[in-house]
Parts: sequence; C-alpha cells; structure tokens
Amino acid sequence: GEDVEQSLFLSVREGDSSVINCTYTDSSSTYLYWYKQEPGAGLQLLTYIFSNMDMKQDQRLTVLLNKKDKHLSLRIADTQTGDSAIYFCAELNDYKLSFGAGTTVTVRA
Amino acid sequence: NAGVTQTPKFRVLKTGQSMTLLCAQDMNHEYMYWYRQDPGMGLRLIHYSVGEGTTAKGEVPDGYNVSRLKKQNFLLGLESAAPSQTSVYFCASTGEITEAFFGQGTRLTVV
Repeated sequence: GEDVEQSLFLSVREGDSSVINCTYTDSSSTYLYWYKQEPGAGLQLLTYIFSNMDMKQDQRLTVLLNKKDKHLSLRIADTQTGDSAIYFCAELNDYKLSFGAGTTVTVRA
Repeated sequence: NAGVTQTPKFRVLKTGQSMTLLCAQDMNHEYMYWYRQDPGMGLRLIHYSVGEGTTAKGEVPDGYNVSRLKKQNFLLGLESAAPSQTSVYFCASTGEITEAFFGQGTRLTVV
C-alpha cells in the first residue's frame, strides 16, 4: 500500500537472525502487524503491537516500534528454512487495514 | 469451522465480462476487506466494510463495486472486466482488530 513501505527482498543464512524493516506514514495508527504468506496461501498473523508499546517479544520473534520515526521492525532469531516466505507489515487506522508491499525472505543453507 | 471462504478459487474472464466474487465468514466478524495482490505491490485495499449495510473505498476502488447485505458475506463485483484487473484477490475479516483472517484467494485472469 502507499502508506506502508518495506524493502522487497532479504536473504539470510540458516541459523542467523533476520531483521525486516517497515516504515509507515500515519501517526494515528492504533495497531501495527506482521503477517506471513507462504506460497499459494493467504496471509497469517505472526504478531502485532499496540501503538503505545515499544517492544514485544514472542518466542523467536521480536517487534520493535519507534513511533517518533514511524519505524517498525521484525527480528526472527535462529532463522530456519521454514521461515522462507513473504512478510507483510500492516497498520490499522480507523478500521482501515493497510499493508506494505511485502518482504520476500529467502533462507539459505 | 470454515473461517473465511472465497468463491471461486480460479476464474478466467474475457474483457468486458462481469463477475462477482463471494467472501463468506462464519465468525460473526464486523469488519471485512477486499484486497488485490500483484507482484511487487503487496496487498492493496480495494473496498472495506465496518458492518452490515456499510462499505467504504480503499486505495484502488475504481472498476469495482461491493455490497454487504448480510453480515457474513462481502461481495466484490467487476462490472466490465479489464486485463488490468488480472490479479489474486483476497478477502479478510476481523472482529477483535488484533487479528485479521484471510481467505485462500481467488486467482482471476482477464484476457
């Protein structure tokens, strides 16, 4: 979407950490999300963060939110081959749910 | 528990034909969305609905119409299909805002 920007590709070695970055434009967004899409499938929610939080950790996933810079990141620790997918950043503003272009993550052995 | 179901899964249309895509959810969700997914452009919001009988325009509404006559269904219509509407269409619904549930997608080709 036009309001959410992500880099398009990321290549990472198995076992390393992946960091996917996203910038958004609407400072009134209430929730920010990370979704994962595997080939031929719909999107599935990975995690979300409320706009008054700075960080959220969920097992191998860490979300960082810098509200001043409107920057969101997703860190995946110990990246595995099963993490190869497209990752979408999304923001919710006034019930309108907008997505970025998606970052294709390729995990190499 | 079906979740979000889209029909059809695949369709080929000729330019100028019309069709309706159906999205049905069985989770009693208030909010429903239609997106199109194109390579390198992510998901772009076409139209959305915040409740039965209401609809609103998203980023790319031109050439599409929608209706939400029943809470569980959100229909996307193409009145006169164009090749530029070749895409994968996804429907999503959410009730709690913390998670949106997606259908499996409809692959539409307009020739």
